[in-house]
Amino acid sequence: AQSVSQHNHHVILSEAASLELGCNYSYGGTVNLFWYVQYPGQHLQLLLKYFSGDPLVKGIKGFEAEFIKSKFSFNLRKPSVQWSDTAEYFCAVTPYSGAGSYQLTFGKGTKLSVIP
Amino acid sequence: DAGVIQSPRHEVTEMGQEVTLRCKPISGHNSLFWYRQTMMRGLELLIYFNNNVPIDDSGMPEDRFSAKMPNASFSTLKIQPSEPRDSAVYFCASSPSRYGRGSFNEQFFGPGTRLTVL
Repeated sequence: AQSVSQHNHHVILSEAASLELGCNYSYGGTVNLFWYVQYPGQHLQLLLKYFSGDPLVKGIKGFEAEFIKSKFSFNLRKPSVQWSDTAEYFCAVTPYSGAGSYQLTFGKGTKLSVIP
Repeated sequence: DAGVIQSPRHEVTEMGQEVTLRCKPISGHNSLFWYRQTMMRGLELLIYFNNNVPIDDSGMPEDRFSAKMPNASFSTLKIQPSEPRDSAVYFCASSPSRYGRGSFNEQFFGPGTRLTVL
């Protein structure tokens, strides 16, 4: 079974600061990787996803993530955060294919607070 | 498309009462998922349906929980009897992916139902 580890429980940044949220996964095979965002009181929305190809993935709202296979990592980055980025961010993984590929395993989430 | 629709958005009930949560997936999506989100355990998959058939219910906590999908456009998650430890946000998600047909696609989440059991 796969697992996902998000290193930071709560990150506090000032506006315009750069952001990097760590995500490491544990799985022996090929994976699909996702970052979801949950704004206060709202449902999860997809920020970006990696299935194959260029390991640097660009998502919505200026976010990007880099898949480093050798490190089993898929860190989320944004060069300059805004107050509106205050939310909880979830990394998730599924096996690339096969019977278990529906199994979206989430990390515990990282809360981001951006101070104006 | 309206996205995944869940009702009710908030539910407050007393211990021992029956609770029914409802979900309407995105039209045309073959897969439907029920998740539970708590502070302690994060997001947990409860059950997964594909083409209205339960494929994996290993995440259902105990017999008090049951889920049905009578047709492609409707699913319910029932808790009977409810207990305070069931208090959580319950999310429904759907996906256009087909079980056993290669790589899975992203899941689209509903707004969730916040359940409080007193």
